[in-house]
Amino acid sequence: NAGVTQTPKFQVLKTGQSMTLQCAQDMNHEYMSWYRQDPGMGLRLIHYSVGAGITDQGEVPNGYNVSRSTTEDFPLRLLSAAPSQTSVYFCASSYSTVLTTEAFFGQGTRLTVV
Amino acid sequence: DAKTTQPPSMDCAEGRAANLPCNHSTISGNEYVYWYRQIHSQGPQYIIHGLKNNETNEMASLIITEDRKSSTLILPHATLRDTAVYYCIVRAAGNKLTFGGGTRVLVKP
Repeated sequence: NAGVTQTPKFQVLKTGQSMTLQCAQDMNHEYMSWYRQDPGMGLRLIHYSVGAGITDQGEVPNGYNVSRSTTEDFPLRLLSAAPSQTSVYFCASSYSTVLTTEAFFGQGTRLTVV
Repeated sequence: DAKTTQPPSMDCAEGRAANLPCNHSTISGNEYVYWYRQIHSQGPQYIIHGLKNNETNEMASLIITEDRKSSTLILPHATLRDTAVYYCIVRAAGNKLTFGGGTRVLVKP
């Protein structure tokens, strides 16, 4: 199994550009989420989804959009990139939020906005 | 979910047991204690979780005090590859994972 796959691994954007960070999982997990991690900090939740067609905001949602049209994919869109969005982005999935199951994380996308 | 308090850093000798403390004095009865670690900016990796009983798996042991206000993660024989940031998280089923600052563990030869 590939687990949680994030693409791209690295990206440089200019201020104002838009882009989509891709996240795919092959474990048929209901729950998927996006986090960002700034240097020396812990992870902060951006958006999450408890199933296809259902999304909700996390702790730091501003400037980001998500959608969940399939169980497997959960893309994160940056609408108009800003230098404050320079960060490492992690996607995670787990079987269920109701059950106390472990979360699987991707290897991250390192985004620099100049 | 209840907040957790962890020491910001600790060192451990290779081959020795590493004991990582976590305080969660406001934990509720339905909240679990989870441990994750993050090696060199990779994605976090699940280690173990428990409710009230002590737990052990191939990676570590989790000791939860009887009043559940604190817990200790034990890495029985630390290796250099265990150098990482370790996160203690308290979470109720159905709630989201919330990461704090964690403990930066350095395993020294």
